[in-house]
Amino acid sequence: QKEVEQNSGPLSVPEGAIASLNCTYSDRGSQSFFWYRQYSGKSPELIMSIYSNGDKEDGRFTAQLNKASQYVSLLIRDSQPSDSATYLCAVNSGGSNYKLTFGKGTLLTVNP
Amino acid sequence: GAVVSQHPSWVICKSGTSVKIECRSLDFQATTMFWYRQFPKQSLMLMATSNEGSKATYEQGVEKDKFLINHASLTLSTLTVTSAHPEDSSFYICSALPYEQYFGPGTRLTVT
Repeated sequence: QKEVEQNSGPLSVPEGAIASLNCTYSDRGSQSFFWYRQYSGKSPELIMSIYSNGDKEDGRFTAQLNKASQYVSLLIRDSQPSDSATYLCAVNSGGSNYKLTFGKGTLLTVNP
Repeated sequence: GAVVSQHPSWVICKSGTSVKIECRSLDFQATTMFWYRQFPKQSLMLMATSNEGSKATYEQGVEKDKFLINHASLTLSTLTVTSAHPEDSSFYICSALPYEQYFGPGTRLTVT
């Protein structure tokens, strides 16, 4: 059973702080890793994808991947109240398998 | 921008009736589409993979006779929930290859 684990939170940070979201996965053969933001009542929105070890930065977001530790994280710098949402980690085994396995999500609240 | 659309965005139906949900690819042909389901406070779970011109592939535990999938054209897949019951109330979301990491806006189904 392939699993993706996230701390359900809630994670509360003050405006302007760095929010750190973590995710571990069980399938060592996983090749693609995604972070989604989901506002209440809305569909998940892809914010970051990462495929190789190391850091990937996009604006205020940085994804970090460590395949040896089976760990992927998302850092949100200068957090804004509009970042308040549930963040979902998803993993894909790659190859001909396009199935995304999701974690349960971490609820982030950014306090003004 | 969006790569798939869904219709309707929300639907309420009575127990025992059937309801059809559409997923359309926008400006590209999609031979494979994916249907996910998200219950309140839970994460997304893949229900089935829809293949144009052939039978859908269902995930373990998903009743193929209850959730009928028709992928009759290269831009449209439909999910019909037959004899719906309150426990089928959920958020149904689709995606499509080669943009499988991008989700449609979702359809919220409420069965009364």
